[in-house]
Amino acid sequence: DAGVTQSPTHLIKTRGQQVTLRCSPKSGHDTVSWYQQALGQGPQFIFQYYEEEERQRGNFPDRFSGHQFPNYSSELNVNALLLGDSALYLCASSPGGISYEQYFGPGTRLTVT
Amino acid sequence: GDSVTQMEGPVTLSEEAFLTINCTYTATGYPSLFWYVQYPGEGLQLLLKATKADDKGSNKGFEATYRKETTSFHLEKGSVQVSDSAVYFCALTKGAAGNKLTFGGGTRVLVKP
Repeated sequence: DAGVTQSPTHLIKTRGQQVTLRCSPKSGHDTVSWYQQALGQGPQFIFQYYEEEERQRGNFPDRFSGHQFPNYSSELNVNALLLGDSALYLCASSPGGISYEQYFGPGTRLTVT
Repeated sequence: GDSVTQMEGPVTLSEEAFLTINCTYTATGYPSLFWYVQYPGEGLQLLLKATKADDKGSNKGFEATYRKETTSFHLEKGSVQVSDSAVYFCALTKGAAGNKLTFGGGTRVLVKP
């Protein structure tokens, strides 16, 4: 049973560019959450998708957007990249409903130069 | 809003020493509490959890007790190994929020042989 997978592993972009990160949830999971982890800090919640809709959103600007597909996979898009967007982006999946346990992927390391 | 505060690291120990990492939280209602571990170059793994006051979570020799009176969830292990070297994150979630995790800043633990 594959766990949460993310692609790419690493990415280097230039300020002002746009980036798309991808996540495939663990089998049987229908909820996908995205987190940003800056170096030396704890992860910060970006948003969560369930049934192809954004269910919750953290304190991130509209430059951060997402999408969930019918197969429950998800994309995170960031427009107009800033140096401060450099971070490890983590995807987590969980079953919907009452379960609280989230399973995290290995992350995508984004570097903005 | 909700928040989690952890003791700052790094914490450096010798093998077989006793480990304590302090975690306190601020939240309305009745959060569930978690400890996640992040090994070098990897994503987050759930270490243990507790969903109500006085619950004790345990796994791999680690324990933490949900203390509502002191709003704390301190992590302990009686005898650490070199393989326990990692970054440990305390986190909370609330059912009504639907799995959004709020993390502390993380505590780096280094165990020396």
